[in-house]
Amino acid sequence: EEQLLESGGDLIQPGGSLRLSCAASKFTFSSFAMSWVRQAPGKGLEWVSLISASGGSTYYADSVKGRFSISRDNSKNTVYLQMNSLRAEDTAVYYCAKKGLPVASDNWFDSWGQGTLVTVSS
Amino acid sequence: EIVMTQSPATLSVSPGERATLSCRASQSVSSNLAWYQQKPGQAPRLLIYGASSRATGLPARFSGSVSGTEFTLTISSLQSEDFAVYYCQQYESWPLTFGGGTMVEIK
Repeated sequence: EEQLLESGGDLIQPGGSLRLSCAASKFTFSSFAMSWVRQAPGKGLEWVSLISASGGSTYYADSVKGRFSISRDNSKNTVYLQMNSLRAEDTAVYYCAKKGLPVASDNWFDSWGQGTLVTVSS
Repeated sequence: EIVMTQSPATLSVSPGERATLSCRASQSVSSNLAWYQQKPGQAPRLLIYGASSRATGLPARFSGSVSGTEFTLTISSLQSEDFAVYYCQQYESWPLTFGGGTMVEIK
């Protein structure tokens, strides 16, 4: 069974920075795009960012563009989310998700990690 | 940005009954729509992709359909494990967007 394990969540002050990691196993990591999706407490799902299988293409929600950066290391089977200039509204559980198919346009997600909590507060 | 609107926000259903959940897109997304189930304290789980294709291992009581920009998730006979929140997601264009969710609760 495919596995995704997020880490790096923490309590951080507004304006601070944090890097999340997602370690993948039991599938060919380098063949699949990966994404981050977040969920504020008691709220719905919000897509944050996606990176292509090679890492050559990245996409962001407007709410995080210019502040967050997604990257991956295919030699380590890990995807990262660098979060800068954090705001209270970034408080959420951050999920790592694997794209379902190694096809360019089908951006749905068939495997999800358990999430890591980021709390932005002074 | 494509806005996904789910209705109703909460659906009260008795076990064994049929549940019909709706998701409307603000513009055409073709069949580029997925459905997810989320239980409290758990990660989302993929149910449907391509508007009507079931994820691996998904029971046949779950089905998806589309008519224009209106998408429907039907659970033919609700089981106890189906009480959860359901989200739709479009992947027609960037940014990817989710609906606000429908909570299916026990009546």
